[in-house]
Amino acid sequence: GAVVSQHPSWVICKSGTSVKIECRSLDFQATTMFWYRQFPKQSLMLMATSNEGSKATYEQGVEKDKFLINHASLTLSTLTVTSAHPEDSSFYICSAERYNQPQHFGDGTRLSIL
Amino acid sequence: SQQGEEDPQALSIQEGENATMNCSYKTSINNLQWYRQNSGRGLVHLILIRSNEREKHSGRLRVTLDTSKKSSSLLITASRAADTASYFCAPMTTDSWGKLQFGAGTQVVVTP
Repeated sequence: GAVVSQHPSWVICKSGTSVKIECRSLDFQATTMFWYRQFPKQSLMLMATSNEGSKATYEQGVEKDKFLINHASLTLSTLTVTSAHPEDSSFYICSAERYNQPQHFGDGTRLSIL
Repeated sequence: SQQGEEDPQALSIQEGENATMNCSYKTSINNLQWYRQNSGRGLVHLILIRSNEREKHSGRLRVTLDTSKKSSSLLITASRAADTASYFCAPMTTDSWGKLQFGAGTQVVVTP
């Protein structure tokens, strides 16, 4: 079945650091990739939608300069949390979609900012 | 897309029992999807039911859809401890296939 790999799975870093999270579709070409954030005991909130070769579309309230998304190929999207602060600590999850098929999710990245 | 609302928020059952959870939504849909999330993991797609379908099965899962009531149900039969997870529905409208918006989910705990 379709596999989406997300890396790293866990990051702890100091406040002010920028953190890059990678999302790869391993056995299919994804037309679109999505980034979600999930706070403890809450649901996933969509942050942005990205298509290969074009700028990401951010949801309302998500700062595009804070959360940089690069979608360089049909199998790789990256999310960079710039100058991360403790309030950015969360569980970040990506998903990848083939045209008109259900999304496949990565296993998430737990980000802890000290 | 639109956000579905799952009910109940939490469900605790014994192994072997059935678990039923419901999803309500507000506007017309193209299809509705159910996902499972194990603690600390990503989501796993379980089943998709289209607006012209009323019932669909996949293994121990049974999904119903009532478009007149704008609701769907997910039934897990003969539950196992491994079914312990949060379950989310995602109603999809015709204008935006990809964007998923999730409600709070139903947290299911299956006790051995």
